[in-house]
Amino acid sequence: QQQVKQSPQSLIVQKGGISIINCAYENTAFDYFPWYQQFPGKGPALLIAIRPDVSEKKEGRFTISFNKSAKQFSLHIMDSQPGDSATYFCAASTRGSTLGRLYFGRGTQLTVWP
Amino acid sequence: DAGVIQSPRHEVTEMGQEVTLRCKPISGHDYLFWYRQTMMRGLELLIYFNNNVPIDDSGMPEDRFSAKMPNASFSTLKIQPSEPRDSAVYFCASRTSGSSYNEQFFGPGTRLTVL
Repeated sequence: QQQVKQSPQSLIVQKGGISIINCAYENTAFDYFPWYQQFPGKGPALLIAIRPDVSEKKEGRFTISFNKSAKQFSLHIMDSQPGDSATYFCAASTRGSTLGRLYFGRGTQLTVWP
Repeated sequence: DAGVIQSPRHEVTEMGQEVTLRCKPISGHDYLFWYRQTMMRGLELLIYFNNNVPIDDSGMPEDRFSAKMPNASFSTLKIQPSEPRDSAVYFCASRTSGSSYNEQFFGPGTRLTVL
């Protein structure tokens, strides 16, 4: 059973446009929500993360929006660039390093056309 | 730091053969994860270790898969016998419990093809 549901599977955006990827979860014990970015031939790497005590986190052109009541969070990429073309994974985990694992969404393949 | 190191980067083998994938985590990291990535199933967690002890192996597909971590700097994932449906990219990742964030650092992956 997928603990984190991600959509869409693929996304095509024109250069300069806004890319939006959505994720939803059920487990209310989750309290850490990272996004990972993966380029072809590479392993995923942490892009940005949020804890549920804030509704939004912005780092450059990347913003996470978090809706705790709806149990949803999304990644917005402003002014999308061809270099942003990659696969994006949302994930969730619980606080407490003893548990350790991340639950990943299925991934979204983003293509930004020049 | 060299990051997470995986070997080999590519492996092509025939059905029925034994395959061993290797991983060296980042020094000082006490968690190690093995993932499998396919188009159909995305990124699946196979097993993870804490302080060299397996914590959760519920993602291991079947008895043909086994993983070991004999010390803090080395882990193996073995498939015996291998089957064509095992073809995937296998990632190793590590993290430290000393961080306030559960950031995992992934290796470059091993692309396995079973003919």
